[in-house]
Amino acid sequence: EAGVAQSPRYKIIEKRQSVAFWCNPISGHATLYWYQQILGQGPKLLIQFQNNGVVDDSQLPKDRFSAERLKGVDSTLKIQPAKLEDSAVYLCASSLLGQGAAGTDTQYFGPGTRLTVL
Amino acid sequence: AQSVTQLGSHVSVSEGALVLLRCNYSSSVPPYLFWYVQYPNQGLQLLLKYTTGATLVKGINGFEAEFKKSETSFHLTKPSAHMSDAAEYFCAVRRPNSGYALNFGKGTSLLVTP
Repeated sequence: EAGVAQSPRYKIIEKRQSVAFWCNPISGHATLYWYQQILGQGPKLLIQFQNNGVVDDSQLPKDRFSAERLKGVDSTLKIQPAKLEDSAVYLCASSLLGQGAAGTDTQYFGPGTRLTVL
Repeated sequence: AQSVTQLGSHVSVSEGALVLLRCNYSSSVPPYLFWYVQYPNQGLQLLLKYTTGATLVKGINGFEAEFKKSETSFHLTKPSAHMSDAAEYFCAVRRPNSGYALNFGKGTSLLVTP
C-alpha cells in the first residue's frame, strides 16, 4: 500500500514569511498527526486529528501555527509568520484506528518536510 | 506526564557486537512503549512495541526489547550489529488521554564500525 505522502520535501524561507505543508495519509486511516522534529531532538507532537476533528493540539503554538484536515483525509499545516526557531523537520503520520480504540495501533510516518528559516 | 529518557546520545559498536540502547520511562499509568528507527532523510519506522502481555518483545531486523516495570526500563537490544543498523533510534511512550500520539525521547545515534 502507498505510504504517507508529504510535500514539499524541502523549503527555505525568510523569517516573517508564511509557509504551508501538505500531508496525504494512508488511505482509510482515521487518525493523522503532525510532529515537529528539531535537529538533535525527538519528534514533538503538534496536533492530532481523528477524521476531521482535533483530538490534541495542546503543544501547537496557536499564535502562528494552524492546521486543518479537509474532509478527514488530507491535511495542511501552516506557519505564519515563521521564526528562526521554527527550522525543523515536520513529520506527518497516520494510523488506522482512532482515540479510544481497543487493542494497539501503529503510526506510519511520512518522509517529512525540512524547513529552514533564514 | 508520560515521558522517556534515552541514556547516551551516541553509541558506537563494532560490526557483530551486541547492540544495547537504553530507555527509561516515567508513567502514571501502565505504559505503551515503542522503539522507532530513522535513517537519514527518511521518516520513522516502527521497530517494535509493548502494550500488554509478554514483556519480551521481538521486532523487525533482529531487534528486541524487554519491558521491566521494576526498573522502569525498555532497553533495545540486538545480538549482532550489522553495518546497515547505523541510524537514529527513538524510544517513545504513548501520550495520556490522546489516543495513540507519542512522546519521544531525544534519540540515540548508533554508529557501527567495521
